[in-house]
Amino acid sequence: DADVTQTPRNRITKTGKRIMLECSQTKGHDRMYWYRQDPGLGLRLIYYSFDVKDINKGEISDGYSVSRQAQAKFSLSLESAIPNQTALYFCATSRGQGLKQYFGPGTRLTVT
Amino acid sequence: GENVEQHPSTLSVQEGDSAVIKCTYSDSASNYFPWYKQELGKGPQLIIDIRSNVGEKKDQRIAVTLNKTAKHFSLHITETQPEDSAVYFCAASIGGNFGNEKLTFGTGTRLTIIP
Repeated sequence: DADVTQTPRNRITKTGKRIMLECSQTKGHDRMYWYRQDPGLGLRLIYYSFDVKDINKGEISDGYSVSRQAQAKFSLSLESAIPNQTALYFCATSRGQGLKQYFGPGTRLTVT
Repeated sequence: GENVEQHPSTLSVQEGDSAVIKCTYSDSASNYFPWYKQELGKGPQLIIDIRSNVGEKKDQRIAVTLNKTAKHFSLHITETQPEDSAVYFCAASIGGNFGNEKLTFGTGTRLTIIP
């Protein structure tokens, strides 16, 4: 969905480096999410935010942190990247309690 | 927490035939069940959803059925076309209670339509 953008789209980094993935949305949604996708494991929730002052851990938050800089921006950081964090990362947004989530195009991250 | 299982992991069907993907969930309080389609190189896109007060929902060639007693729901695609080839994800959520509106996804089904 073009209303949800992610940067970068691809990134290769080395073990131990700090890296930030960014998500922006023009949908005006209050809720934003970060997911990780691995082959055979589906989409797993890393962090989610229901508004600017609300940050919650998902099922796999260890090794990750987030920042909600504004309603439209939600960043995911890997403080010290490790190879098993190699995956496809998706940002998503939703409005209120509607539950319908709209996904960005994804960031493919490779940690060597 | 909620656990969603999805089968099969891969499915190949002849163009024009029907495809069925099944999911089961563990939390009887779940009341919202969406299906997402992910095409190569893109993010998942919502294609249909159903709430627990409805047993079936249709949208052209796509339908979803829900059996609350058995805690399973299915995606049905009829008259399949090459553009239906993609990875499909089911999900479940407890909706309506602040703080609980999180989707738990299945592991995905790679559907291939054979021309």
